[in-house]
Amino acid sequence: SQQGEEDPQALSIQEGENATMNCSYKTSINNLQWYRQNSGRGLVHLILIRSNEREKHSGRLRVTLDTSKKSSSLLITASRAADTASYFCATPGTSGSRLTFGEGTQLTVNP
Amino acid sequence: GAVVSQHPSWVICKSGTSVKIECRSLDFQATTMFWYRQFPKQSLMLMATSNEGSKATYEQGVEKDKFLINHASLTLSTLTVTSAHPEDSSFYICSASRQGLTQETQYFGPGTRLLVL
Repeated sequence: SQQGEEDPQALSIQEGENATMNCSYKTSINNLQWYRQNSGRGLVHLILIRSNEREKHSGRLRVTLDTSKKSSSLLITASRAADTASYFCATPGTSGSRLTFGEGTQLTVNP
Repeated sequence: GAVVSQHPSWVICKSGTSVKIECRSLDFQATTMFWYRQFPKQSLMLMATSNEGSKATYEQGVEKDKFLINHASLTLSTLTVTSAHPEDSSFYICSASRQGLTQETQYFGPGTRLLVL
C-alpha cells in the first residue's frame, strides 16, 4: 500500500482560520517532507522534518512528527486565499533521495 | 537558486507520434533527476530515476521502451514518450537533487501537460 497517506482529502475553510492536514506512513524514515502544489503547477518544497525532531516551524507553518505513530501533521495558521493548493507529504526511500508522495490534501481557503 | 525548468509547458500531439520533454536545472548541477506522472486530482507517481551518465532506473510497471530517459549532462534530462496514445495524456513533472549537497530536498519543475489525441 502507498507510503504517505493523507487526510482529509479535501478541506475548505475561511480566510483567517487554521488548516490542519495529517499524513501517515508505513516504514521507518529519516525525514518527512511537505510540498505544496498550485493547480496545474509543479511542487514547492515547504518544510523538512527529521526523524529525531518532533516539531518544526517555518513562518505560518507548523509541522509535527510522531515516529511512534508514524504520522505527521501540517498546520497552516491564519490562512489566506493564496494558500489554496494541494499539499503533499513525502518520505524518502532507503536509497535516500527517492521520494514517495502521499495522496494529498486539497485545501481551499475562501476569502 | 535551485530553479528547474521544463519544456514544453504543454503539448498536444496525435496518437502514434513521439514527444520529448526536457528538464533542466538552471543554476545548479543535478546528479539525479526524477520523472513523475500525475493524473488529474491524484498524487505524483514516480516513473524513473535518472542519473547523469548512466541508465535510468524505472519503477515497476513503467515501460522502458515507451518512456525513454536520457540524462546526458548534469543539467539536462529528457523524457521521450514514444508512440504516444491517449492514455499517456497526463501531467509530467521532473525534479532534481543538487550535487554536492544533501539529496534530501528535491526541486521540481513546473510540469508539462501532455494531451494525446
